[in-house]
Amino acid sequence: DGGITQSPKYLFRKEGQNVTLSCEQNLNHDAMYWYRQDPGQGLRLIYYSQIVNDFQKGDIAEGYSVSREKKESFPLTVTSAQKNPTAFYLCASSIRTSGANEQFFGPGTRLTVL
Amino acid sequence: QQQVKQSPQSLIVQKGGISIINCAYENTAFDYFPWYQQFPGKGPALLIAIRPDVSEKKEGRFTISFNKSAKQFSLHIMDSQPGDSATYFCAAHRGSARQLTFGSGTQLTVLP
Repeated sequence: DGGITQSPKYLFRKEGQNVTLSCEQNLNHDAMYWYRQDPGQGLRLIYYSQIVNDFQKGDIAEGYSVSREKKESFPLTVTSAQKNPTAFYLCASSIRTSGANEQFFGPGTRLTVL
Repeated sequence: QQQVKQSPQSLIVQKGGISIINCAYENTAFDYFPWYQQFPGKGPALLIAIRPDVSEKKEGRFTISFNKSAKQFSLHIMDSQPGDSATYFCAAHRGSARQLTFGSGTQLTVLP
């Protein structure tokens, strides 16, 4: 089965703790993305990566960090500096070409800070 | 200039009716306009998409109408079914940046 997997599905964190969300894809896509979804606000881009060992900040990168050591993996760390981390986090990937291409989304991770 | 404004926020339609969701944008550099469908607890999935050189695209019961001069585009769902009940997002692609800017979403409920 080809697709994007995210784990865990639900995650609970105490205030002040860092937590890492996993995203893996076997679609052989070059580009990967992390979005945050809050009720009534749509999807907002946190970080994206067009190629291994390279990534760029999106619109709301503060309090988050990422790495892209392998083509198939793009983990997101939510640090204690993120003031309001409770949200639904979505990972996506797309083929990297010169034009626009469909982004395929994973099933998401719901993070709750206690 | 990066915003995509979507309306309405919620929509209730009777089975068999037409659902219409509207989006507007400012940035003329956007070059691709997809619509995504999301069911509760799931990730969004591409429904239909259009490029600005086309005024309309139809796939089954789903149609995108695109007005380049007005910088507006809309999704029409014909013969709406209860299974269409979901949240719909419009989006716009920023050329060389290869990024999508999403609208705020419309929660569609189709009554049986």
